Amino acid sequence: ELKVEQNPLFLSMQEGKNYTIYCNYSTTSDRLYWYRQDPGKSLESLFVLLSNGAVKQEGRLMASLDTKARLSTLHITAAVHDLSATYFCAVDIGTSYDKVIFGPGTSLSVIP
Amino acid sequence: AAGVIQSPRHLIKEKRETATLKCYPIPRHDTVYWYQQGPGQDPQFLISFYEKMQSDKGSIPDRFSAQQFSDYHSELNMSSLELGDSALYFCASSSPGLAYEQYFGPGTRLTVT
Repeated sequence: ELKVEQNPLFLSMQEGKNYTIYCNYSTTSDRLYWYRQDPGKSLESLFVLLSNGAVKQEGRLMASLDTKARLSTLHITAAVHDLSATYFCAVDIGTSYDKVIFGPGTSLSVIP
Repeated sequence: AAGVIQSPRHLIKEKRETATLKCYPIPRHDTVYWYQQGPGQDPQFLISFYEKMQSDKGSIPDRFSAQQFSDYHSELNMSSLELGDSALYFCASSSPGLAYEQYFGPGTRLTVT
């Protein structure tokens, strides 16, 4: 059974600092997603990582994928308060990209 | 740009009642997904449809059923509702042309009393 783990589950960081969220998964997949969710809101797609070694950056967020290690990272650079949210990684295990399993989420709080 | 539409946005039902949630995917998206998210939980995959055919199933209770219609909208039917069914239900759609990136709807908040 697929397990998707995230570390840490809760993160409180000061503005201006850097930090990395880790996502480990237990079965083979070449497709991994990162989402952001604000309280009571829907999920916003941040990144789609499609191959080993993929790296994508958007603003202060950078995501990478190592399919051999079954590990993805979401790196936060110079955090700002607006980044406070819950971040989910999700792994696609469907034969036709039709079944996505989410990690437990990392609740990020950026404090002044 | 058009987004995924879900209706209703809020729904209150009593135990043992039935509920129907609707999802209208982004035009030309061929895959629809349903998720259930309990309070403080991650989204749980329920079921997906590709080109109007059921594609894969997750942890969907037998009391739930879903289908996708000829116009690509999808409905999630929930019967014999239980208190534990109270959750946010999200629909998402994707397209191969967009690397199957999933676009989520605003969700339906179901409360079972």
